[in-house]
Amino acid sequence: LAKTTQPISMDSYEGQEVNITCSHNNIATNDYITWYQQFPSQGPRFIIQGYKTKVTNEVASLFIPADRKSSTLSLPRVSLSDTAVYYCLVGDNRDDKIIFGKGTRLHILP
Amino acid sequence: DAMVIQNPRYQVTQFGKPVTLSCSQTLNHNVMYWYQQKSSQAPKLLFHYYDKDFNNEADTPDNFQSRRPNTSFCFLDIRSPGLGDAAMYLCATSTIRTGYSSTDTQYFGPGTRLTVL
Repeated sequence: LAKTTQPISMDSYEGQEVNITCSHNNIATNDYITWYQQFPSQGPRFIIQGYKTKVTNEVASLFIPADRKSSTLSLPRVSLSDTAVYYCLVGDNRDDKIIFGKGTRLHILP
Repeated sequence: DAMVIQNPRYQVTQFGKPVTLSCSQTLNHNVMYWYQQKSSQAPKLLFHYYDKDFNNEADTPDNFQSRRPNTSFCFLDIRSPGLGDAAMYLCATSTIRTGYSSTDTQYFGPGTRLTVL
């Protein structure tokens, strides 16, 4: 399972776009990149997953460069309710488990 | 709605008194996981079941046991809780597909917060 590195914390303001970058230098060919969001006193929740280039859903976008050694989660126009911990994970379906890294604690200010 | 349910949401036990946490799922997923999450830390995988096959993480203390009597239910037993076992315990499920398709996401329950007095 590839190791990931993320900033420990980030602050931003309501209405701004927030980009959280994750480094995964030893990502394997079959690995996908997945992001989870966790609010206090709740279980993590799937946000987005991608393999290469760009993926977008109703919540976020995920940008993955050609070498796939990093990825960036983009949250458009954040609100106070986006304050949470965001975890980046890499793995493939041959792994029947995932290992959480330290995550990024995002704090949105009014 | 299909979901992962954990009971109770809050559990208080005494030092050394056995406690059981329960998890049920209506997703019919073949994999169920137990994580321990301490304050301001990432979830730490304790063990998981792939169908009936039990997979223990190497650093999970023997004090932690699990049972999965059927697809829908999974239990976490802490035989002799210590003060250091106070944490949020998260249950999650996923389904494993064959072939090099995307990884299946995990669906987490709301967690059980365990307090040890």
